[in-house]
Amino acid sequence: QVQLQESGPGLVKPSETLSLTCAVSGYSISSGYYWGWIRQPPGKGLEWIGSIYHSGSTYYNPSLKSRVTISVDTSKNQFSLKLSSVTAADTAVYYCARPTAMVTPFFDYWGQGTLVTVSS
Amino acid sequence: EIVMTQSPATLSVSPGERATLSCRASQSVSSNLAWYQQKPGQAPRLLIYGASTRATGIPARFSGSGSGTEFTLTISSLQSEDFAVYYCQQYNNWPPCTFGQGTKLEIK
Repeated sequence: QVQLQESGPGLVKPSETLSLTCAVSGYSISSGYYWGWIRQPPGKGLEWIGSIYHSGSTYYNPSLKSRVTISVDTSKNQFSLKLSSVTAADTAVYYCARPTAMVTPFFDYWGQGTLVTVSS
Repeated sequence: EIVMTQSPATLSVSPGERATLSCRASQSVSSNLAWYQQKPGQAPRLLIYGASTRATGIPARFSGSGSGTEFTLTISSLQSEDFAVYYCQQYNNWPPCTFGQGTKLEIK
């Protein structure tokens, strides 16, 4: 059974960089799929942030592209998200997820999500 | 960027009845449309992809239809566990893929 688990600081100061990691178990990232990050501000809808392949190939949401970096560490079977210059608008539950098919951005395996609050 | 608009924002339906949720795209997304269910405090759950293909383990009472710009999610006979928020997502010519703002399905 594929399982994903997000980890990282729950509180980040404005203008700093948000850093999260998604640990994957039950499936090898090297076997394929574009692994994704999605976020959800409290009480609001879903926003796709970006996706990464095991080779390091990435797709980013243009609205966040200038501030986002997604990377992968196949040796640890995990992938990571960095979001720079954060503001209160970046406060959200951040999810990592695996899509249903290799090169698609609809997701059937999700982490439980982690709330990141941007505040001084 | 393709904008997805869901209607209604809130839908009140009695258990056992049929629920029909709508999703409209600002331009054609062909059949590249997915539906998710989300309950409070939980991650979204994929219900439908390809506009009409049920994901693994999804009950047959959930069905999706439509193509182009107009899509519908139908729940044929509502069970208590179906009351939740539902999101549509387009993934045509991504990135980016975009989500609708959600429809809250509540008990009447």
